[in-house]
Amino acid sequence: DTGVSQDPRHKITKRGQNVTFRCDPISEHNRLYWYRQTLGQGPEFLTYFQNEAQLEKSRLLSDRFSAERPKGSFSTLEIQRTEQGDSAMYLCASSWGLAGSFEETQYFGPGTRLLVL
Amino acid sequence: AQSVTQLDSQVPVFEEAPVELRCNYSSSVSVYLFWYVQYPNQGLQLLLKYLSGSTLVKSINGFEAEFNKSQTSFHLRKPSVHISDTAEYFCAVILIRTSSASKIIFGSGTRLSIRP
Repeated sequence: DTGVSQDPRHKITKRGQNVTFRCDPISEHNRLYWYRQTLGQGPEFLTYFQNEAQLEKSRLLSDRFSAERPKGSFSTLEIQRTEQGDSAMYLCASSWGLAGSFEETQYFGPGTRLLVL
Repeated sequence: AQSVTQLDSQVPVFEEAPVELRCNYSSSVSVYLFWYVQYPNQGLQLLLKYLSGSTLVKSINGFEAEFNKSQTSFHLRKPSVHISDTAEYFCAVILIRTSSASKIIFGSGTRLSIRP
């Protein structure tokens, strides 16, 4: 088990471009979370998947953002028409969780740092 | 509304000195409480958590935290810190019996720096 991995680790893009990030969770985990972390703040919940189903999305996730988790394995987070305000660290976490509760330990990846110029 | 407050953004201490990182939360219902640690250039990892039972919980590397329901606090302490404890520490809460992942709330973090 190599833990949660994210790719790329860093991304610099120009305003208006599209970017896509990938997260590979721990293989036996059924849950996958995406968070955004800005400087001086803790992670903020964006969305989560239970297996391949996207069950919740935060209001932070505008319609320019889309996430997928085909076949319940890796996940991608795409940002279309990036804006400077999208600059942040995007974190992925995975866990094994039972329906209706969220007290399980989440395992975080190292994050993808996005800079929009 | 549910919130988590970490009162200190930075805490500098000398090696082998004691340290306390403060965490207060507000919630109208019972919560689970977590401390996560982020070492330089690494992802967040769970340090310890309180779900139920004894209000004092301990980690394998000497940290402990005590759940104080009346003061709605979950402060993290270590009696003697080491250089390797240099990291950012995040407190987090989850509403008990919630069916919503968006109720996982993190504090803004406390950067612990250890001076030799």
